[in-house]
Amino acid sequence: GAVVSQHPSWVICKSGTSVKIECRSLDFQATTMFWYRQFPKQSLMLMATSNEGSKATYEQGVEKDKFLINHASLTLSTLTVTSAHPEDSSFYICSARDPLLAGATGELFFGEGSRLTVL
Amino acid sequence: AQRVTQPEKLLSVFKGAPVELKCNYSYSGSPELFWYVQYSRQRLQLLLRHISRESIKGFTADLNKGETSFHLKKPFAQEEDSAMYYCALSGRFGNEKLTFGTGTRLTIIP
Repeated sequence: GAVVSQHPSWVICKSGTSVKIECRSLDFQATTMFWYRQFPKQSLMLMATSNEGSKATYEQGVEKDKFLINHASLTLSTLTVTSAHPEDSSFYICSARDPLLAGATGELFFGEGSRLTVL
Repeated sequence: AQRVTQPEKLLSVFKGAPVELKCNYSYSGSPELFWYVQYSRQRLQLLLRHISRESIKGFTADLNKGETSFHLKKPFAQEEDSAMYYCALSGRFGNEKLTFGTGTRLTIIP
């Protein structure tokens, strides 16, 4: 199957600083990637849809200026948490579909996740 | 608005007993339904999708449009089935987002 990789796996930062998380599709090209957030023992909440070459589509209630998404190439999307605060501490997961494998509405492949802790 | 409901947060079943994880959905149209599984310390992965009509690791799920349900079933639970299970839904057109239920943690008792 297709592989999605995230970096870093975990990061600790001070309150007020910005943190960038990368999501790469290793063996396929993805025009669209999805960023999810997962709180402990809770479900995955979709934050935004990252679109290659254009602006991301944010879900209701997600601050665009807080969570900056850039999808500059067909294999890389980045999520930057700006001016991070302790309440931003969470598990961030990206995912993508391989259009050659499963079509536009098919299986989502997930990254391993990035755990952010803001002190 | 699309919504997925998994009423059970936790489910414990004895090894060899039948398993049923419930999932109900709300969607104005024809959805695609999926079950994803997350084993301990592993990433989320697809278990099965309704359009495939297949059995994976002994699990099956039938889409019931009348009851708007997509329950996951297995006749005989195995210890390796212990995991977190998420029901998910997306639309059929374009590269649409996937909406997840709250998940059910299944524990198989030896």
